[in-house]
Amino acid sequence: DGGITQSPKYLFRKEGQNVTLSCEQNLNHDAMYWYRQDPGQGLRLIYYSQIVNDFQKGDIAEGYSVSREKKESFPLTVTSAQKNPTAFYLCASSTPGYGYTFGSGTRLTVV
Amino acid sequence: AQTVTQSQPEMSVQEAETVTLSCTYDTSENNYYLFWYKQPPSRQMILVIRQEAYKQQNATENRFSVNFQKAAKSFSLKISDSQLGDTAMYFCAFTINSGGGADGLTFGKGTHLIIQP
Repeated sequence: DGGITQSPKYLFRKEGQNVTLSCEQNLNHDAMYWYRQDPGQGLRLIYYSQIVNDFQKGDIAEGYSVSREKKESFPLTVTSAQKNPTAFYLCASSTPGYGYTFGSGTRLTVV
Repeated sequence: AQTVTQSQPEMSVQEAETVTLSCTYDTSENNYYLFWYKQPPSRQMILVIRQEAYKQQNATENRFSVNFQKAAKSFSLKISDSQLGDTAMYFCAFTINSGGGADGLTFGKGTHLIIQP
């Protein structure tokens, strides 16, 4: 079945560490997105990519980085510059006329 | 920039009742798309209903329907015959693209809906 796979489901980060969240899709969608969800804040856009080797900052990109080397993959790195990384992270993909599909999310906790 | 406002942080109704969730948005665009997403405790985002702004007819999906008032920039969700499984966070979302858009979806802060037995 086609869909989006996010891994891991739970991730723990020590202070000063970089961690990478995986997002893979087999839907052949061109566009991919990363959202951050905090209690009471809804979902906020971190980065998005419309095509391979191209991506743009969203509303809260500081402290995050991404790459888009393959159409299927859009990993998100949470760097040590992100001072408050504890949150739920959702990956999504879309294609014109079809709409948006979401992964099941990664819960990141700083320990 | 577009904004989406959900003014009800939490709502609670009895099973089988009808409930309406409010959503307003702000945009200068004429063509756009509006969505309601459900997020149950599993945190999976599930599309409930979608409305194209150029369509005057309100979208319906089984027990779910919307009241789309374009001039008022209002997009409320009505759930009829509510069920325990409807308990979830509900997010209103906006985009100027049907998909593959440059800036993805803009979300409201959500309404936590609780269906009481």
